[in-house]
Amino acid sequence: EVQLVESGGGLVQPGGSLRLSCAASGFTFSSYEMNWVRQAPGKGLEWVSYISSSGSTIYYADSVKGRFTISRDNAKNSLYLQMNSLRAEDTAVYYCARDHSSSWYGSDYWGQGTLVTVSS
Amino acid sequence: DIQMTQSPSSLSASVGDRVTITCRASQSISSYLNWYQQKPGKAPKLLIYAASSLQSGVPSRFSGSGSGTDFTLTISSLQPEDFATYYCQQSYSTPRTFGQGTRLEIK
Repeated sequence: EVQLVESGGGLVQPGGSLRLSCAASGFTFSSYEMNWVRQAPGKGLEWVSYISSSGSTIYYADSVKGRFTISRDNAKNSLYLQMNSLRAEDTAVYYCARDHSSSWYGSDYWGQGTLVTVSS
Repeated sequence: DIQMTQSPSSLSASVGDRVTITCRASQSISSYLNWYQQKPGKAPKLLIYAASSLQSGVPSRFSGSGSGTDFTLTISSLQPEDFATYYCQQSYSTPRTFGQGTRLEIK
C-alpha cells in the first residue's frame, strides 16, 4: 500500500525556518517525481514545488522561490521541504504528493498533510 | 503562468442528479488537465487525469472531457459521498496551477 506521511509542521514566528519531511513507503520511491502542495485555511490548493525522481530537476512557485528548498533522499525514501524566511501567508496545510506514472498525469497519491502556522 | 478558471464556484444538487463542472485555461494546455475531489479535512483525491482518463478505483459515474482550453467534469448520477469540493489542475507547464475549486453541496 502506498503511503506518504508528512511531519515537521508547527508554529513558527515570521522570519523563522522549518523543515518538512515526507516519508514514503509501499512503492519504489526513487522512480517517482514528487511535489509539495499547500492549502491555506479555508482556501484552495496551491502547487509549491516539484522534484524529479533523481533530484536533478526542480521547480518552485514564484511565491516561495528563493525561500524554500525541495530535496529528496532516495536511500531513505524521503522528501523534504526546507522553508526559510517564513511569512504569515505561508500558513497552510502542506501536502506531499506523488506524481502519476508521468508528471503529465497529475498526482495520484497524497499524504495527510502537516499544518504550518506562521505567527508571532 | 496559466490561469485556471472553474465554474460554477458552488453548486447545489440532489442525489441522482447529473452535474457538470467546467474548467477553462488561459491558454491551450492540450489534454494535460486533471480533476481532484477533496472532502473537508482530507487530502485531495485524483479522479481524472489527462482530461478524460479515469484514475484506478474511481467510480465510472465520473467522466472528463475536453482539450485545448475548455474542459468538463461530469458526475452522471450524484451519490451522497460525492458532495465535496472539486479542483482542476493543469500539468502542461509549471507552475502547475489549480482552479479555485467548485463546492458541490446537497440541495
